[in-house]
Amino acid sequence: DTAVSQTPKYLVTQMGNDKSIKCEQNLGHDTMYWYKQDSKKFLKIMFSYNNKELIINETVPNRFSPKSPDKAHLNLHINSLELGDSAVYFCASSHRTDTQYFGPGTRLTVL
Amino acid sequence: TQLLEQSPQFLSIQEGENLTVYCNSSSVFSSLQWYRQEPGEGPVLLVTVVTGGEVKKLKRLTFQFGDARKDSSLHITAAQPGDTGLYLCAANFGNEKLTFGTGTRLTIIP
Repeated sequence: DTAVSQTPKYLVTQMGNDKSIKCEQNLGHDTMYWYKQDSKKFLKIMFSYNNKELIINETVPNRFSPKSPDKAHLNLHINSLELGDSAVYFCASSHRTDTQYFGPGTRLTVL
Repeated sequence: TQLLEQSPQFLSIQEGENLTVYCNSSSVFSSLQWYRQEPGEGPVLLVTVVTGGEVKKLKRLTFQFGDARKDSSLHITAAQPGDTGLYLCAANFGNEKLTFGTGTRLTIIP
């Protein structure tokens, strides 16, 4: 009965590779988000989708491309990974701008 | 750019002591939330405050929203080891997104 799930939990890859992180929510929410948490634990929003439409796109390199095939899924694809992309990535969902529920995070390590 | 500064950044105290964590901004926010994050997990919402001067209590945790809507505090009474974690405030500045604070890492020593 997991509310917001992410896969994989850990991702270790070489610089220059392309990787994807998947997120699914079973809460019936209409809004989903991607956040990046750096080594200092600072949590910053990257993208937000409402009913499969992009509504927030922060200053994120265009190597990062979110895709929402339906309201329950928001995936994050990253091209040409760089060392600075190493972080924990969190997916979250909410009903409009109500309480956000976070997934367990994906720890990405770029070598 | 709206910034949320939390203080202290790190706090380590003995079990049974009281503590207060602060969240401050130079801009007014429409609402503020407090989250707790444990290692290997995502943040979990503790409370939302929306009215200036509002005080909310959650067992041993007391949350206050400043009258000017630019600051908030979290007070924990008789801290327990289970309170250990990263505490994050997050504000809505009226732009449809949450801006998170810099975080306070709390450690309660048994």
